[in-house]
Amino acid sequence: SQKIEQNSEALNIQEGKTATLTCNYTNYSPAYLQWYRQDPGRGPVFLLLIRENEKEKRKERLKVTFDTTLKQSLFHITASQPADSATYLCALDISGTASKLTFGTGTRLQVTL
Amino acid sequence: NAGVMQNPRHLVRRRGQEARLRCSPMKGHSHVYWYRQLPEEGLKFMVYLQKENIIDESGMPKERFSAEFPKEGPSILRIQQVVRGDSAAYFCASSPRRDNEQFFGPGTRLTVL
Repeated sequence: SQKIEQNSEALNIQEGKTATLTCNYTNYSPAYLQWYRQDPGRGPVFLLLIRENEKEKRKERLKVTFDTTLKQSLFHITASQPADSATYLCALDISGTASKLTFGTGTRLQVTL
Repeated sequence: NAGVMQNPRHLVRRRGQEARLRCSPMKGHSHVYWYRQLPEEGLKFMVYLQKENIIDESGMPKERFSAEFPKEGPSILRIQQVVRGDSAAYFCASSPRRDNEQFFGPGTRLTVL
């Protein structure tokens, strides 16, 4: 069955460092992969979408890579700030019909001073 | 430009009652998705609708749950004869196109007593 795995343990890093979060998936070749941020008690907020023919995508301090051979995406936040503390979710369309997203369970990031 | 709106934000029901959750998508968005998030679990897809049509309901329980997105008005997720296991946060998302990022609402937190 399709699995999307993210580090279940929280990631604690110091302000100013680069945070790297991992998303691994199995048994499927998605056309694209998305990353969302979710704060406690709130809905997810879209961050970046990367397509299968793109190796890397950047947006301000955020960078996403997509390795379809390894079936892995890496999400980087450079110069991290305490305000970046949240849970980060990766999501794939495994239906092949672009009709729904399947989300990983997320990785909680804590940036400390 | 208002975002996705959901109401109520909090809903308390006793076992056996009906719950009706409403979602108004962003202006110009005709694609609506419903997700459920149980405590300490990831987001799970329930149903995908496009104006007046259910496109994919593979994630929705066969009994007691129904969804609609009428030509006029909000999308409704209806849960009949609620049970304690239905207690969760229900999120609605909308998008302008099928293979696009999704914009989430703040969610409705359903508590079944």
